[in-house]
Amino acid sequence: AQSVTQPDIHITVSEGASLELRCNYSYGATPYLFWYVQSPGQGLQLLLKYFSGDTLVQGIKGFEAEFKRSQSSFNLRKPSVHWSDAAEYFCAAPEGGNNRKLIWGLGTSLAVNP
Amino acid sequence: SAVISQKPSRDICQRGTSLTIQCQVDSQVTMMFWYRQQPGQSLTLIATANQGSEATYESGFVIDKFPISRPNLTFSTLTVSNMSPEDSSIYLCSATETTGEGEKLFFGSGTQLSVL
Repeated sequence: AQSVTQPDIHITVSEGASLELRCNYSYGATPYLFWYVQSPGQGLQLLLKYFSGDTLVQGIKGFEAEFKRSQSSFNLRKPSVHWSDAAEYFCAAPEGGNNRKLIWGLGTSLAVNP
Repeated sequence: SAVISQKPSRDICQRGTSLTIQCQVDSQVTMMFWYRQQPGQSLTLIATANQGSEATYESGFVIDKFPISRPNLTFSTLTVSNMSPEDSSIYLCSATETTGEGEKLFFGSGTQLSVL
């Protein structure tokens, strides 16, 4: 069965430090992959998505993610974290290739120290 | 991008009562969905709200407990019926929008429900 795994439940970084949030997937074919962010009291916002082509994907708010088939990973990165990046981050992939039904990771909670 | 307004943003309800959550999109969308996000867990799809017909429910969710309406292409409601503390969760409305890069799933701000 398909699955999306986010190994880190909670991460704390200092403001200005670099960030990498891990996401691993299990899916036979090349998956579509998404990263969403959920700020406190707000809904989910799409950060970026990978469909095909260039494996390094640029998103909003200075985030990027790299699709690595050999590692079944789609890790989210940001070179310099801002305090406003503190939020919950979710990795997701369509179930069975259906973009309308996503399988979600459990999320990674990011705290940013001043 | 389309904007989803969801209300109420939060509510505290008594056991045995029902709550209806409203979801309004500022443009016509083909697909609307309802998700549940329980504490410490990932998002779970409850159902697809179909315009003009009965909603399509995922395994583990039934219409009697979570009746859904979709009277038009911009509006949907989810009712959580006969609530128990186990229904305490965040409920999220979402919709798909077709862009130049394909379909995009976007979300409302959620309804934080606490059942006493």
